[in-house]
Amino acid sequence: LAKTTQPISMDSYEGQEVNITCSHNNIATNDYITWYQQFPSQGPRFIIQGYKTKVTNEVASLFIPADRKSSTLSLPRVSLSDTAVYYCLANSGNTPLVFGKGTRLSVIA
Amino acid sequence: EAGVVQSPRYKIIEKKQPVAFWCNPISGHNTLYWYRQNLGQGPELLIRYENEEAVDDSQLPKDRFSAERLKGVDSTLKIQPAELGDSAVYLCASSLEALAGTEQFFGPGTRLTVL
Repeated sequence: LAKTTQPISMDSYEGQEVNITCSHNNIATNDYITWYQQFPSQGPRFIIQGYKTKVTNEVASLFIPADRKSSTLSLPRVSLSDTAVYYCLANSGNTPLVFGKGTRLSVIA
Repeated sequence: EAGVVQSPRYKIIEKKQPVAFWCNPISGHNTLYWYRQNLGQGPELLIRYENEEAVDDSQLPKDRFSAERLKGVDSTLKIQPAELGDSAVYLCASSLEALAGTEQFFGPGTRLTVL
């Protein structure tokens, strides 16, 4: 199972772009990189997933360099409602998702 | 479309008492997961079902925890007897299949407090 490392916490002001970088040095060839978001008193929610290069959806962008040893979740123009814990995961096949402690993002007005 | 439903949302019991959590996954989802989340930590997988078969229960403390998924739909997770260290949020999730790249949908969880 690929182990991921991400910052424990980040602060940002409203309207700014937030980039959360995740390190996964021992990622396997078949691993996907997936990000989940969790608000207090709720279960995690899928945000975005990718294998390489760049993926963009209505919520975020995910940048994965060619060596795939890291990835960056980009949240454009964050608002107070983006305050949450963000988890970076890597898995393949039917191996289970392994959640770390995640990154606690605090958005300040 | 209804999401993953869990009940109860909160449960307070005394140690050594039994407790059970119920989960109704999204219709059509063959794979069901039970996770435990301790305060300040990410969720940890306890057990995964493919239809009614438990295919990964390596992290389930089998001396006191049990789970079942009758008819491959609803699932129940039981703890008997509960210990102080079992206080946590128990999350249920479901997905169409278990392959990587398949989105997991989580319920709101059951917050268990053992006194």
